[in-house]
Amino acid sequence: AQSVTQLGSHVSVSEGALVLLRCNYSSSVPPYLFWYVQYPNQGLQLLLKYTSAATLVKGINGFEAEFKKSETSFHLTKPSAHMSDAAEYFCAVSMNRDDKIIFGKGTRLHILP
Amino acid sequence: DSGVTQTPKHLITATGQRVTLRCSPRSGDLSVYWYQQSLDQGLQFLIQYYNGEERAKGNILERFSAQQFPDLHSELNLSSLELGDSALYFCASSVGGTDGRTTEAFFGQGTRLTVV
Repeated sequence: AQSVTQLGSHVSVSEGALVLLRCNYSSSVPPYLFWYVQYPNQGLQLLLKYTSAATLVKGINGFEAEFKKSETSFHLTKPSAHMSDAAEYFCAVSMNRDDKIIFGKGTRLHILP
Repeated sequence: DSGVTQTPKHLITATGQRVTLRCSPRSGDLSVYWYQQSLDQGLQFLIQYYNGEERAKGNILERFSAQQFPDLHSELNLSSLELGDSALYFCASSVGGTDGRTTEAFFGQGTRLTVV
């Protein structure tokens, strides 16, 4: 069965510093991969998705992620953190035969002034 | 605004009761998903419907059931409620891939269920 593992339930970075949120997936076939963001008391919003086209995917709010098949990873990065980036981030995967989207446990990003 | 509408936004009910959560998907979306989000379990996939038919089942309790109606809205029914059912319940919708691969899901704002 497909799954994703997010390393680190909490990540803290200083404002202006690089943001790196890690996600590894488990899949027997090429997956669809997603990053979602959840702000307090809100639903999940799609940041970006990988659909087997370009391995480097650009999303909203300056985020991007790179699909690395050899490492089974899909880490999320942003060059310069902003206070407004403080939120919970979820990596997710969906498969070919089975359309359900499975989420990781989430990483809460804290931005330090 | 994702275009997915969930009602009600908040629900407080007593143990043993039954509630119904409603979801209207984005216009044109055929797939509806239900998720439960709690502090200890994270975001758990419950069930998916595609064009009125059950497509996939996750960690959904037997006390819970769902359906998707001809107009594509969906309802999640939770019965014999327990304190542990208190959580945020999300509905999401997607177009539903014709080749068996899904596209991204768009989430509603959720229904916060509190069982007292």
